[in-house]
Amino acid sequence: DQQVKQNSPSLSVQEGRISILNCDYTNSMFDYFLWYKKYPAEGPTFLISISSIKDKNEDGRFTVFLNKSAKHLSLHIVPSQPGDSAVYFCAASENRDDKIIFGKGTRLHILP
Amino acid sequence: DSGVTQTPKHLITATGQRVTLRCSPRSGDLSVYWYQQSLDQGLQFLIQYYNGEERAKGNILERFSAQQFPDLHSELNLSSLELGDSALYFCASSPLWGDYGYTFGSGTRLTVV
Repeated sequence: DQQVKQNSPSLSVQEGRISILNCDYTNSMFDYFLWYKKYPAEGPTFLISISSIKDKNEDGRFTVFLNKSAKHLSLHIVPSQPGDSAVYFCAASENRDDKIIFGKGTRLHILP
Repeated sequence: DSGVTQTPKHLITATGQRVTLRCSPRSGDLSVYWYQQSLDQGLQFLIQYYNGEERAKGNILERFSAQQFPDLHSELNLSSLELGDSALYFCASSPLWGDYGYTFGSGTRLTVV
């Protein structure tokens, strides 16, 4: 049973526009949510996180939104840049002491 | 360079064989995590070690085992290999148990033929 779901395997966005990556989860015990970015031939890199006590966290061009009632989170990238082309993994954990569960990833293509 | 070193980068082996994947965590990090990424799959958590002791276990097969040594490097042993074990195996490290500063290595691509 997949606890973290990224239903869009890929997404194409024009350079300069907003990229919105979505993620749903099923485990109501999840308390921390994270986004990782992965380039080919590299390991995933931590991007941004959010605690369940917040509904928004912003870091430069990246903003993560959390809707606990809908068990949904999203990552907004604005403006999108060519270097943002990568696979983005949504991840979650029940608490700081627990393992991180990853989704299958969404491949983001930024079009020139 | 993330500071987490995984060797080898690529490994091709036959079914039934045994291999060992090695991970050197970032300097000072006490926790090591192993993840498996198969085709079209996300990162599946296998196992976590903290300062030499097993802390958490995920969907790790009985044919797989791991350990963390006193110098904090870790090894993942895969035995009786099957075609389905072909995957990318990632190691990550963090300073503390459960800390969210996971730093991933670049992975070992295992191909079982």
